[in-house]
Order: sequence, then structure tokens, then C-alpha cells
Amino acid sequence: DTAVSQTPKYLVTQMGNDKSIKCEQNLGHDTMYWYKQDSKKFLKIMFSYNNKELIINETVPNRFSPKSPDKAHLNLHINSLELGDSAVYFCASSLNRAGNTIYFGEGSWLTVV
Amino acid sequence: AQRVTQPEKLLSVFKGAPVELKCNYSYSGSPELFWYVQYSRQRLQLLLRHISRESIKGFTADLNKGETSFHLKKPFAQEEDSAMYYCAPVTIKAAGNKLTFGGGTRVLVKP
Repeated sequence: DTAVSQTPKYLVTQMGNDKSIKCEQNLGHDTMYWYKQDSKKFLKIMFSYNNKELIINETVPNRFSPKSPDKAHLNLHINSLELGDSAVYFCASSLNRAGNTIYFGEGSWLTVV
Repeated sequence: AQRVTQPEKLLSVFKGAPVELKCNYSYSGSPELFWYVQYSRQRLQLLLRHISRESIKGFTADLNKGETSFHLKKPFAQEEDSAMYYCAPVTIKAAGNKLTFGGGTRVLVKP
């Protein structure tokens, strides 16, 4: 009965590779997010989608491309991975774009070597 | 721009001692604030929100508009309270509201 699930949980890859992280929510929410947590535990929003439409796009390199095939899914594709991309990426969802209560996935630990 | 500051990176207390996690924000308008908690190897989850004025797991937080603070308090810390705590005000935008997280405070409750 996992509400927000993301895969893979752990990912180790080499610089320059392209990788994707997938996310699905079964809560019937309209809005989904990607957050990045760095090594110092700072947590910052990257993107937000509402009903498959991009509504928030923070200052993120264009190597990061989110895709939402439907409102229950929000995937994150990263091109030409760099060492600085190593972080924990959290997918999340909320009922709507008011986004007051956000439900998080367990995180995907990405290590770029 | 919305800013939130959690000045303490680490708070270490003994079991049964009071604990207070500080949070200061900058916001023009009526802020809506939350505390989120991340236990070891678990997902981030909502702890409490200021509008509900509730006590969750013994924690309370009062919004002080004069001091622009939303400190989290618990009178008697328990070992299971050891976790990362994030203060998060909401930025109201036409496109969609956005939670802005503070840098987080790690709480370590020692036996």
C-alpha cells in the first residue's frame, strides 16, 4: 500500500552516463514533485507537475528533464551525469497545487563516480 | 524571496530533557508553516502544521509573527525522537504553492 514509490532506491553510475529515476503515486493526487537532498542534508525543490503540466521549475541544469506521462507518474531523467549530481532524490506528491501536505517517497540514493 | 533558517545543525540532548528546535523565516504576507521529520532510513513525513495548532508525539510549535519564528518544542525528549527535522514555510505562487525547506536540524537523544 505504498503511497509514493520510486525506483531505483540505490544507483551508482559513472560520470557522463544517462540515468532515470521513476516515481509513482497511488494516492490520486494531482501534483507531484522532485526534491534533491545534498550531502549536507539541504533539501531543495527541483520540479513540480500538476496534472502532467510543469508548474514549478527551479534553477536546475537542463541535463535534468522530468517527464510526466500521467498524473500518477513523474520520472526524472538525467543526462551526462556529473559528480555534483550525487545526492538523494525524493519524489513527492500532494492533493493539489496548493501543496500544503506533501507525501514523500523513500528517496533514491544516486552516487556518481 | 522566501527564506527559512534553522540555526542549529545538531542538537544533542539527554532522554527526558527538553528540546527546542529553532526556525526563523522571512515572508511577506500570512505565512503557513510546517515541520517535517525524517527518521533514520525513512521517508520525510509531516510532523505538524501551525494552522492545526496540534501536538504530535509531544511536539508543539507556535507561530510568532513578531519574531518571525516557528520553533519546535518538546518538554521531555525520547530516544525515538532522534531524527532530522525540517522547518518548511509555504511560498504562495499562482502556479502552485511551494514548500521551502530549512537546512534541517539533526536531533540526537542520548539515553
